[in-house]
Amino acid sequence: DAGVTQSPTHLIKTRGQHVTLRCSPISGHKSVSWYQQVLGQGPQFIFQYYEKEERGRGNFPDRFSARQFPNYSSELNVNALLLGDSALYLCASSFGLDNSPLHFGNGTRLTVT
Amino acid sequence: GQQVMQIPQYQHVQEGEDFTTYCNSSTTLSNIQWYKQRPGGHPVFLIQLVKSGEVKKQKRLTFQFGEAKKNSSLHITATQTTDVGTYFCAGINQAGTALIFGKGTTLSVSS
Repeated sequence: DAGVTQSPTHLIKTRGQHVTLRCSPISGHKSVSWYQQVLGQGPQFIFQYYEKEERGRGNFPDRFSARQFPNYSSELNVNALLLGDSALYLCASSFGLDNSPLHFGNGTRLTVT
Repeated sequence: GQQVMQIPQYQHVQEGEDFTTYCNSSTTLSNIQWYKQRPGGHPVFLIQLVKSGEVKKQKRLTFQFGEAKKNSSLHITATQTTDVGTYFCAGINQAGTALIFGKGTTLSVSS
């Protein structure tokens, strides 16, 4: 079975631009969560989606948005990029909304210049 | 808000020495999960502890959940170079909607 897949793997953007990151969960997993990981820190929760609905949101500005599609894949959008948005963006899937473990993708490395 | 703290931030050991990382939460946790992230990699799930006072072992790794369900520890016996990486603990937030990660303990091992 394929694991969680994310695209692109790397991205370089300029301040003020927007970006869309994509994630395909493990087959059968209905929950997708997005995390931001800055170098030397733990993953910071951004969003959780389950059955196409937002179930949780972390302490991130409204420039961050996401959605989940009927096939459970997900997109994370970030508008008006700032230098501080440079990070590794991790997508994780899990079977349900319970406390089931997260399966992470390899992440998208975003650099904002 | 809920915080999950880990100590130490960094630990360097000689191969064969033991290693322990500690995790403390500001609130009672329904469960705690441990993840390992190798350099350049992504977090990989190791284990989940649910019951108060629970102890689980995976080969040389021993995980404990505190009686009050607010702290946890990971102990590695006789470290190997393959143990290198950052170990994160994580707990479910009070709303039950997110896994909150600590900052991690980065382990380096010299042979």
